[in-house]
Amino acid sequence: GNSVTQMEGPVTLSEEAFLTINCTYTATGYPSLFWYVQYPGEGLQLLLKATKADDKGSNKGFEATYRKETTSFHLEKGSVQVSDSAVYFCALSPTYNQGGKLIFGQGTELSVKP
Amino acid sequence: DADVTQTPRNRITKTGKRIMLECSQTKGHDRMYWYRQDPGLGLRLIYYSFDVKDINKGEISDGYSVSRQAQAKFSLSLESAIPNQTALYFCATEDNSNGYTFGSGTRLTVV
Repeated sequence: GNSVTQMEGPVTLSEEAFLTINCTYTATGYPSLFWYVQYPGEGLQLLLKATKADDKGSNKGFEATYRKETTSFHLEKGSVQVSDSAVYFCALSPTYNQGGKLIFGQGTELSVKP
Repeated sequence: DADVTQTPRNRITKTGKRIMLECSQTKGHDRMYWYRQDPGLGLRLIYYSFDVKDINKGEISDGYSVSRQAQAKFSLSLESAIPNQTALYFCATEDNSNGYTFGSGTRLTVV
């Protein structure tokens, strides 16, 4: 079946530190991969996506590369800010653009200190 | 107005009560979803609908029912609420071009 596993949080970093949040997946076929961010008291917002192997998604300084050989989609940012404090969810869609249920990882809480 | 509006934002209810959570959207999307979020578990799919006449169970549909009254409205009901249904509930819409749009969530507490 399809599943997503994220590194456990919470992750606490100082401002301007390098961020990596690991995400690995299990899927049949060729899923699309996503990172969503949830700021306190809000719903989920799409951060970035990649729809095929070796694609790199990027947005707001965050990047993730779809690695089929390692079944991974790790989220990275070179220099985090306090405003990046949020919960980050990795997700996959087995059938993107065909009406797709999203399968989520458990979420990783990031706290950035000044 | 928000693209996807959920009401109420917060609700406390007693065990055994029937409760309805409402979701309305202005995006004109056919596909709509209900998820619940629990700490350490991420989001899990309860029900989804691809158009007004279509209702499908997700991975955790037991104890829930839904109604798709119109393209814009998709409501979730708990027929007899129990404490382990305490969670944050999200409605979402989807289309091919823009992917998912989530509502702000309903925090439900069953006491």
